[in-house]
Amino acid sequence: RKEVEQDPGPFNVPEGATVAFNCTYSNSASQSFFWYRQDCRKEPKLLMSVYSSGNEDGRFTAQLNRASQYISLLIRDSKLSDSATYLCVVSLSGGYQKVTFGTGTKLQVIP
Amino acid sequence: EAGVTQFPSHSVIEKGQTVTLRCDPISGHDNLYWYRRVMGKEIKFLLHFVKESKQDESGMPNNRFLAERTGGTYSTLKVQPAELEDSGVYFCASSQEPNTIYFGEGSWLTVV
Repeated sequence: RKEVEQDPGPFNVPEGATVAFNCTYSNSASQSFFWYRQDCRKEPKLLMSVYSSGNEDGRFTAQLNRASQYISLLIRDSKLSDSATYLCVVSLSGGYQKVTFGTGTKLQVIP
Repeated sequence: EAGVTQFPSHSVIEKGQTVTLRCDPISGHDNLYWYRRVMGKEIKFLLHFVKESKQDESGMPNNRFLAERTGGTYSTLKVQPAELEDSGVYFCASSQEPNTIYFGEGSWLTVV
C-alpha cells in the first residue's frame, strides 16, 4: 500500500464548479499535512497546510480526518487558472523532516 | 530574493555516463533536500542535508548516487554511471522554517 494515495484523475470540471479531492495516508503517526499545487513541468508550490480544525483560504478549504486518515481539498467557484495537479503531502513530524508525496490529482477546468 | 536554483534545467546523457546536478538553496537556508520524480510515479525523497551534514539519506536508491554539500551552501547530486531508470526530474528544495519547503524548478534528466 502506498504511503499517500490519491485519485490521479483527471477531474474535468466547468468554470464555476465546486470540486473536491481526497487523499488517504497509511501511517497513523503522521503529523503534518499539506496540499501542494504543481503546474505542468514546474516545481511543486505550497497551496496550504492542513490543520485538524480545518482551514480555509479564499476559495480553498482543507480538512483533516485523523480517525479515517484522510485529507480533503475543496475548491469552490473553479477558475481556469486552477487547472493543475494537486499533490497531497504528508510528514511524520512537524519541522524539517522529509515529506511524502502522493502521485497527485490532475484538475482541468473547462471554459 | 532568489529562490532555489538548479542547474542544468535539462540534460540528456547516454547510459553509463556521469551527470552532476547542482542546487543553490535560498540564501541562509540550512536545510536542503533532494527529491526526484520518475515517469508515472510520485515525487520521492532522496536525502536531507542540515548545513553540510547528511541528516537523512534513506531515499538514495543505490550507490550510483552521491550527494555532497561542502561548506553547507550549494549541493551537488552525481549519478555515476547513469542508467535508463534514472531518467526523471530531480527537485531540490530548501527550508529554514518548520513545514515551509521551497522547491526549485527541477533538473530534467533523460538517460538514453
